[in-house]
Amino acid sequence: NAGVTQTPKFQVLKTGQSMTLQCAQDMNHNSMYWYRQDPGMGLRLIYYSASEGTTDKGEVPNGYNVSRLNKREFSLRLESAAPSQTSVYFCASSEQGLGHNEQFFGPGTRLTVL
Amino acid sequence: AQRVTQPEKLLSVFKGAPVELKCNYSYSGSPELFWYVQYSRQRLQLLLRHISRESIKGFTADLNKGETSFHLKKPFAQEEDSAMYYCALSDTGGFKTIFGAGTRLFVKA
Repeated sequence: NAGVTQTPKFQVLKTGQSMTLQCAQDMNHNSMYWYRQDPGMGLRLIYYSASEGTTDKGEVPNGYNVSRLNKREFSLRLESAAPSQTSVYFCASSEQGLGHNEQFFGPGTRLTVL
Repeated sequence: AQRVTQPEKLLSVFKGAPVELKCNYSYSGSPELFWYVQYSRQRLQLLLRHISRESIKGFTADLNKGETSFHLKKPFAQEEDSAMYYCALSDTGGFKTIFGAGTRLFVKA
């Protein structure tokens, strides 16, 4: 039981390049999330998927797209990377409903855009 | 608007001293509140939630609806408590969780 896994762990991009961050969970959770973590700003929600087949914007969606490929997998795509997207990206998953909103996090992807 | 405020970016205490990490929130409804912790080189993980009313690793947090606060407390800090702590709020649907900016706790020997 690996929990939430993310690939890659590290990535360096040049401005304008594209890439996809992969996330998978094996806990049969309905909801999945993508956050970015920046110093002094905590975790900010980029996109989330309440259930398979649905996605919604979070607090900072600009410059990103997501795909909920199936119940297990939720990917985050940067179409044209910018230096402002340098950050640590976390994927998370949770069950939903009262008392079941604990989020389980992946190890993170450290992205640098030059 | 939903908001979680952690006023202290850094909190430094001596081992054995009491510690209180502050968290205030704004939310129109009945929120579910959490404290998450991130130890060095580890994943962000749940420490405790208000709905469970439990004590984890000696930490407790009481939801004060009148003051809209959910402060995290421990009577005697240990060096292994040094970590980044995030207060978080979940809406009633549970689909979104809002995190505070975090407080780094440093416990000195």
